[in-house]
Amino acid sequence: DTGVSQDPRHKITKRGQNVTFRCDPISEHNRLYWYRQTLGQGPEFLTYFQNEAQLEKSRLLSDRFSAERPKGSFSTLEIQRTEQGDSAMYLCASSLDRDWENTIYFGEGSWLTVV
Amino acid sequence: GQQVMQIPQYQHVQEGEDFTTYCNSSTTLSNIQWYKQRPGGHPVFLIQLVKSGEVKKQKRLTFQFGEAKKNSSLHITATQTTDVGTYFCAGEPYSGTYKYIFGTGTRLKVLA
Repeated sequence: DTGVSQDPRHKITKRGQNVTFRCDPISEHNRLYWYRQTLGQGPEFLTYFQNEAQLEKSRLLSDRFSAERPKGSFSTLEIQRTEQGDSAMYLCASSLDRDWENTIYFGEGSWLTVV
Repeated sequence: GQQVMQIPQYQHVQEGEDFTTYCNSSTTLSNIQWYKQRPGGHPVFLIQLVKSGEVKKQKRLTFQFGEAKKNSSLHITATQTTDVGTYFCAGEPYSGTYKYIFGTGTRLKVLA
C-alpha cells in the first residue's frame, strides 16, 4: 500500500504524559498536513509543511504541540503534557505541488484517548 | 475567525432520491475542495473548484462554486447506498497557504 501511513493507529495515555505520532506521506509528496478531528466535527487544521519547512501553524495550537519534518519526508507530531481535551483523531495528509488540483490524500488517522 | 458552515447537518433520503449539501464561508475563498468520509474512515478527496461560478460534474455528482466565491454546493442525483457518509467542504481562504478550513459536514444516510 503506497498511501499515507500513520503510526500508532491507537494510543491511550494518562493525562500529563507525552505522546508522539508519526506520519509517512506518499512517496515524493512534498506537502504534508496535520489535522485533528473529534467525533461529529470536521477536521481542524493544525499545521502544514512544504518539504521540511513548517509554513503554517494554527493559532489554536498551544505550545504543547510541536511538529517536525526534518528531512522533508516523514513527520512527527508531539503532544506534551496531554490533557483530556486532546482526545481526538490526528490525521496526516500529503499532496504533490506539481498536482494543479492539489489532491490531498489523508491517512487513516491516529486515535488518541487521554484518561 | 474564519468559519465554514454546511447545511443540512443530517439528511436521510430514500435510495434514488436526489441530495444536496450547501457550504457557506464567512470570507471569500481562493478555492474550495470537497471530501467524503465514510463512517469510521478518513476523508477522501473528491474535487477542487477554483473559478468563480465554476461547475464540475463527476458521474452523478455535481459541484458548484458561487460567483462570490463564498459558497458552494454538492448535488447527488439518484442516490445509492454507496453514497452513505459525511460530505465536507474545505475552503482555502488565502491562496498558497494550503490552510484548508473544513466545514461542519453533512451526514447522508440512504435508505434502501
